Amino acid sequence: EAQVTQNPRYLITVTGKKLTVTCSQNMNHEYMSWYRQDPGLGLRQIYYSMNVEVTDKGDVPEGYKVSRKEKRNFPLILESPSPNQTSLYFCASSPGRGTDTQYFGPGTRLTVL
Amino acid sequence: AQTVTQSQPEMSVQEAETVTLSCTYDTSESDYYLFWYKQPPSRQMILVIRQEAYKQQNATENRFSVNFQKAAKSFSLKISDSQLGDAAMYFCAYRSGRGGADGFTFGKGTHLIIQP
Repeated sequence: EAQVTQNPRYLITVTGKKLTVTCSQNMNHEYMSWYRQDPGLGLRQIYYSMNVEVTDKGDVPEGYKVSRKEKRNFPLILESPSPNQTSLYFCASSPGRGTDTQYFGPGTRLTVL
Repeated sequence: AQTVTQSQPEMSVQEAETVTLSCTYDTSESDYYLFWYKQPPSRQMILVIRQEAYKQQNATENRFSVNFQKAAKSFSLKISDSQLGDAAMYFCAYRSGRGGADGFTFGKGTHLIIQP
């Protein structure tokens, strides 16, 4: 089944404790993105990647890191999480340049205490 | 930068009736795509319908259709014969067709309530 998976689905952590949210897609998509969703703000892009080893900042990159060492994986890293990073996070992928639809993972609910 | 505006934070409709959700956007580009995504309580993002800007014909998917007014930069979603399962957050989204940044620009969403 074609899908985007994220782990964990739920995470409660404390300020300053490094964490990684994994994202993997099995559709051989070139493009992958991370978004955060906050009430009243919709979805905002954090980082995106156009291919292996090619990443760039989105609209709200502060406090986040990403890597793209393999085509299928695009982990989101929070080196020192803070309470303002409490949010719902989505990973998404799309087939390639000029193709329009993004496919979303199920979301990760992160709470930073 | 592109912006997407959904002016209705919440809408309510009786089951079996028709409802229209509004979306306007701002761009200087001529090549782009527009989307409506549905987010039910499960929080999964589900593509409802999409429209290519170069196509004049409005997209339709079963009970869902759009009214795309390119000159007015308007992209409204019409849901006919509303069903209880249509209750969700609906997000309008824009994507540039020029390549480069691959992300979408989303509106803030409209919460659709279906009254039985």
